[in-house]
Amino acid sequence: DTGVSQDPRHKITKRGQNVTFRCDPISEHNRLYWYRQTLGQGPEFLTYFQNEAQLEKSRLLSDRFSAERPKGSFSTLEIQRTEQGDSAMYLCASSPLTGAETQYFGPGTRLLVL
Amino acid sequence: SQKIEQNSEALNIQEGKTATLTCNYTNYSPAYLQWYRQDPGRGPVFLLLIRENEKEKRKERLKVTFDTTLKQSLFHITASQPADSATYLCALTGGGNKLTFGTGTQLKVEL
Repeated sequence: DTGVSQDPRHKITKRGQNVTFRCDPISEHNRLYWYRQTLGQGPEFLTYFQNEAQLEKSRLLSDRFSAERPKGSFSTLEIQRTEQGDSAMYLCASSPLTGAETQYFGPGTRLLVL
Repeated sequence: SQKIEQNSEALNIQEGKTATLTCNYTNYSPAYLQWYRQDPGRGPVFLLLIRENEKEKRKERLKVTFDTTLKQSLFHITASQPADSATYLCALTGGGNKLTFGTGTQLKVEL
């Protein structure tokens, strides 16, 4: 399967702990996106990379959130000092440089903060 | 402020009928609009994209219309099947690369 993969698929943590999620995009895709989705809502944009450069960040991305894509391949999203309000599905998507309108999503990481 | 609205109530239809889902938007001038399907616990899957200069797009049993005057897109599934049951998301890109999604409409196709 050459789709977008995310790890872990599920994460339960206690409030105040740090968590890190990984996303492996489709191999030839230059662009990588992170979204957050809560129950009954559509995905909300968090941040976007083109190769290793982080080009846009949402206001939703507080200073407790940091994302990296060091070699322009996989990406990590870290949440420090988690809060119960961080509980959500975290989705990663990728797209090629040309034909970038369509994004291909991974299965998501479901985070529960107790 | 920018807003994307989809039918918040679930849509239940009988197998074989045509399902029509609505996406309305305000304060956007989207270059294109997309529809995605999402199954429970899974990521969205791309279905169709329609550009601002296109009125209609078709793919197999799916049809999308885009009226930039009414600021509305309609998404049709003809000859619906139980396997079409899912949440359908409308997404806009006004510029840049991020997608802005509606809340989605849950479709249930009954036998």
